[in-house]
Amino acid sequence: GAVVSQHPSWVICKSGTSVKIECRSLDFQATTMFWYRQFPKQSLMLMATSNEGSKATYEQGVEKDKFLINHASLTLSTLTVTSAHPEDSSFYICSTRDRGRVFGYTFGSGTRLTVV
Amino acid sequence: GQNIDQPTEMTATEGAIVQINCTYQTSGFNGLFWYQQHAGEAPTFLSYNVLDGLEEKGRFSSFLSRSKGYSYLLLKELQMKDSASYLCAVRDGGATNKLIFGTGTLLAVQP
Repeated sequence: GAVVSQHPSWVICKSGTSVKIECRSLDFQATTMFWYRQFPKQSLMLMATSNEGSKATYEQGVEKDKFLINHASLTLSTLTVTSAHPEDSSFYICSTRDRGRVFGYTFGSGTRLTVV
Repeated sequence: GQNIDQPTEMTATEGAIVQINCTYQTSGFNGLFWYQQHAGEAPTFLSYNVLDGLEEKGRFSSFLSRSKGYSYLLLKELQMKDSASYLCAVRDGGATNKLIFGTGTLLAVQP
C-alpha cells in the first residue's frame, strides 16, 4: 500500500524560531495533502489542504501566515510553523488520498512539536 | 458548520461488547470512516460506510443512518489492546474529499 514518510517525528524548538515538517509520498504521487493538528486528548483538527502546484486552502481560524504550506512537487508537501510559541506545541500529522483503494487515506507517522 | 460529536470517554470490561456513537451535521457527506488511534501514533483504518446499514469486519462492525446523521462502531469480545481513542470522520462531498474528524472517544478496557 501507499506510504507517507513524515519527518521529523519529534522536534523541540525555542520560542520565536521556525520549524519545517516534511511529508513525502514514497511510492505514489500525492496531488493533495491534508494537514492536521492534534492537541492532547483531543481529536484531529484539519488545518489546511494543499494541492501540488497551487496555494493551500486553509480551514477557518487557521493563520495562513503562521502555518506555511508548500506542495511544490507530487511527492513532497511541507508545513512550516513560523515564529513558534508554546501554544503551537502539538502533534502534527499529514494525510493523503490513497487512490489505489476505494476508501483509503494514508497518514504520516506524525510530528510531536514542543516549543519551549 | 461542521459538527461531529462522540462521547469523550467510555469504559468497558474485557470480553464485553461496547458501542461508540457518532452523530454528525456536515455541509456535505460522501462516506463515514472509523479509525483507531493510540497516543502519539497515526490513526489506523477500521471501517467505512457510505450506504445505510451495517458493515461487519471481524470483531468490529459499523452502522450508518444517513437520514439521522448517525453512526456507531461496535466492538465485540473486547481485549485489553483495544484501549485506544476511536475517531469517526466524515468525508465531505467536495472536490478534495477531505476528512473531518469527530471529537474522538477514549476507550478504556478493564480486566
